[in-house]
Amino acid sequence: DAGVIQSPRHEVTEMGQEVTLRCKPISGHDYLFWYRQTMMRGLELLIYFNNNVPIDDSGMPEDRFSAKMPNASFSTLKIQPSEPRDSAVYFCASRGGPGLLSYNEQFFGPGTRLTVL
Amino acid sequence: TQLLEQSPQFLSIQEGENLTVYCNSSSVFSSLQWYRQEPGEGPVLLVTVVTGGEVKKLKRLTFQFGDARKDSSLHITAAQPGDTGLYLCAGEGGATNKLIFGTGTLLAVQP
Repeated sequence: DAGVIQSPRHEVTEMGQEVTLRCKPISGHDYLFWYRQTMMRGLELLIYFNNNVPIDDSGMPEDRFSAKMPNASFSTLKIQPSEPRDSAVYFCASRGGPGLLSYNEQFFGPGTRLTVL
Repeated sequence: TQLLEQSPQFLSIQEGENLTVYCNSSSVFSSLQWYRQEPGEGPVLLVTVVTGGEVKKLKRLTFQFGDARKDSSLHITAAQPGDTGLYLCAGEGGATNKLIFGTGTLLAVQP
């Protein structure tokens, strides 16, 4: 398996523009997580899905952020409009269900480094 | 709100030295994980500890879960440059499937 795939790896945009980050989880994994990492705040959970359904979005900063998971192999995190304070590295991670031996382990993608000017 | 504080935040040592990283909370966790993150990559799981007092060894790395399941430590013996990275502890608690990540310890091992 190729692991968790994220695109783009780097994104530079101007304030006010819409940004869409993409994630393909590991095949067969039931859970998908979106995180944001900054020097100031560390690694923060934004939202997670179980079987494509959003379970907890309490970490989403504000209404400018939205996430979807239309099917088991694809998820998006959208920021509209983007602001300079959204600059961070955004990670997607997936995890298997209780039937898997390593179900407790989260597998992270390489991240998307977002810069909002 | 569950918080995990790690100490030290930064650590720069010479190859061959020993070190310990601490992960502390006032909350009880059902399990605790340690991840290592290298520049430009996502965190990678090193170990999961579940039982209070549990000790796990991974080559030169020794992980311990506190008796009360509120804290954990990571000890590295004879550190090598390849150990350089950001070490993150993460706690899982209650009925949620969420991980609460610690503040991180950035380790640099100089050759």
